[in-house]
Amino acid sequence: DSGVTQTPKHLITATGQRVTLRCSPRSGDLSVYWYQQSLDQGLQFLIQYYNGEERAKGNILERFSAQQFPDLHSELNLSSLELGDSALYFCASSLGGYNEQFFGPGTRLTVL
Amino acid sequence: AQSVAQPEDQVNVAEGNPLTVKCTYSVSGNPYLFWYVQYPNRGLQFLLKYITGDNLVKGSYGFEAEFNKSQTSFHLKKPSALVSDSALYFCAVRDWDHGSGNTGKLIFGQGTTLQVKP
Repeated sequence: DSGVTQTPKHLITATGQRVTLRCSPRSGDLSVYWYQQSLDQGLQFLIQYYNGEERAKGNILERFSAQQFPDLHSELNLSSLELGDSALYFCASSLGGYNEQFFGPGTRLTVL
Repeated sequence: AQSVAQPEDQVNVAEGNPLTVKCTYSVSGNPYLFWYVQYPNRGLQFLLKYITGDNLVKGSYGFEAEFNKSQTSFHLKKPSALVSDSALYFCAVRDWDHGSGNTGKLIFGQGTTLQVKP
């Protein structure tokens, strides 16, 4: 158990809908990262927050947004969902940007 | 741009034999390298990292990795494989931004499936 929690574990929704994925980092970790894992794209970095502020951005679609709250938990919002958004979404946390990242169990999103 | 390559989709090894999972990298600046393992329907687990120092890095579950700057490689090794080591292994490098230097972003290889047969 990495200490990073993600909810929900599974999410099934329809095209055009909006969903929110939630992540609680390990106790004491200030950085939160979001990654997408799919068969065709592999593991792709989406976005990083550090102590509430956006720190780095990957190839995150404009339909996707994220935030980190004062209690350091983070949410990833996915809107206008398309079939191609079906993937595993991982949250990871670290003490800072230079430390190893610890991954949560992931949220499996299925868009029908 | 930073990149990581894992040239083998799958590695097969018999239990008790040594194993090697290959990784090569291309980075600007100093490489910060990581190995992670993913079991089915689980998140990624951190195995080990190279930041600086000794070229042989020891990690969890008996794994180690050898950093080779001249060959830009960071191969994962274990002297004696176990059936329970069968999983998907990812090599990753921390990204380098020319403005701010290292970022927190990890760039992952495509992964190598390790199959250890009894």
